[in-house]
Order: sequence, then structure tokens, then C-alpha cells
Amino acid sequence: AQSVTQPDIHITVSEGASLELRCNYSYGATPYLFWYVQSPGQGLQLLLKYFSGDTLVQGIKGFEAEFKRSQSSFNLRKPSVHWSDAAEYFCAVGGWSTASKLTFGTGTRLQVTL
Amino acid sequence: EAGVTQFPSHSVIEKGQTVTLRCDPISGHDNLYWYRRVMGKEIKFLLHFVKESKQDESGMPNNRFLAERTGGTYSTLKVQPAELEDSGVYFCASSQDTGSQYFGPGTRLLVL
Repeated sequence: AQSVTQPDIHITVSEGASLELRCNYSYGATPYLFWYVQSPGQGLQLLLKYFSGDTLVQGIKGFEAEFKRSQSSFNLRKPSVHWSDAAEYFCAVGGWSTASKLTFGTGTRLQVTL
Repeated sequence: EAGVTQFPSHSVIEKGQTVTLRCDPISGHDNLYWYRRVMGKEIKFLLHFVKESKQDESGMPNNRFLAERTGGTYSTLKVQPAELEDSGVYFCASSQDTGSQYFGPGTRLLVL
């Protein structure tokens, strides 16, 4: 069965600092990988996705993620965090097709200090 | 283009009552999904429609939950009778066959 681990439940960074949120997955084949963000009072917004090809993917809001097959990881990064990035971030893995269900990690809550 | 919409945004009911959640997917999206997040836990898959057919309902917790998608458009998720452990946020998502899943804002259900 597929699974996703986000080891950091809560992270605090200063505005302007760099950010890396960790995600490890377990899946028997090449996975479809996603990062979603949920801001307070909002739904889940897709930040970026990896289906195939270049292992470094760019997303919205200045985020990027790198797929590393050897480490079963898909970490999310941003070079300079803004106060508006404070939210909860979810890593997810899809199944054998692009229409398959998603399996989510438990989420990482990001706090940004000014 | 309108996104995925869900109604109601919040619902507070008593144990034993019935609640019906509604999801309107993005127009043209054949795939519709329901997920749930119980407080403090991960978001978990409930079921997947392709048009009006249930493609995968492996995540439905028990027979108190009934999902329908009449005519392949909007979907409803009924919980009858509701139990305390059904409290949480219910998300709906939709996608095209080659696309990513786009989520609605969720319905926050509280069963007292």
C-alpha cells in the first residue's frame, strides 16, 4: 500500500529565510507526486505536481520540489518565505493513473515570524 | 471558470441525525472524489466517481455513508445516522483524466 510521511508536524521560519518541507513516500512504481497548501479558512490549493520528466518541478507562489527516486523523497522548497506563506502543507502520492486516488501525509504547519 | 464548490460550509448536527453534503465539480470534469480529514489526522480518500459510476469506494468507512452522483454532475454524500466519529472536514475534488485534482473549500461537520 502506498504511504506518505511528512516528518515535521510544525515548522517556524523567519520571513525572508529559506524553507524546505520534507516528504517521503512509499510506492511500488514511479509515483505521481503532489504538494497542496491549505491557508486558514481555505480549501486545498495545488502548488505543484510531478508526473514524469525533469525531477525538479516549479510551482506557483515561487515554490519548487525535487523528486529523488533513490531517497523516495519529494521535498518542497522556497528560497525566501513571505508572511503570507503561513499555512498547512500537504504532500500526496497518486496511484497507477493520473486519475487515481491520492494518499496524503499528515501535513506540516508552517509559521512565519516577522 | 468556477472552481469546485461545496455546500454547506459548516454543519452541526446531533448524533443519530442525517446530514447531506453536496459537491459541484468543475464543469467538464468527469472525475469526482470525496476525502475526509478527521481532526489531527491525515486527509483520507473516501470514494471516486467517473461520471455517474463509482470507480473506487474502498475508503468508505461503513454503510452509514451513501454517495451519489446523479447524471454525472454534482454529487451528494449522505451520512445516516451520524456518529460522533464522523466529525471532520469533508473535501470534494474533481479532475479531468489527465489532470490534477482540484479541491473545494470543504464542509466542516460537527456531530454532537
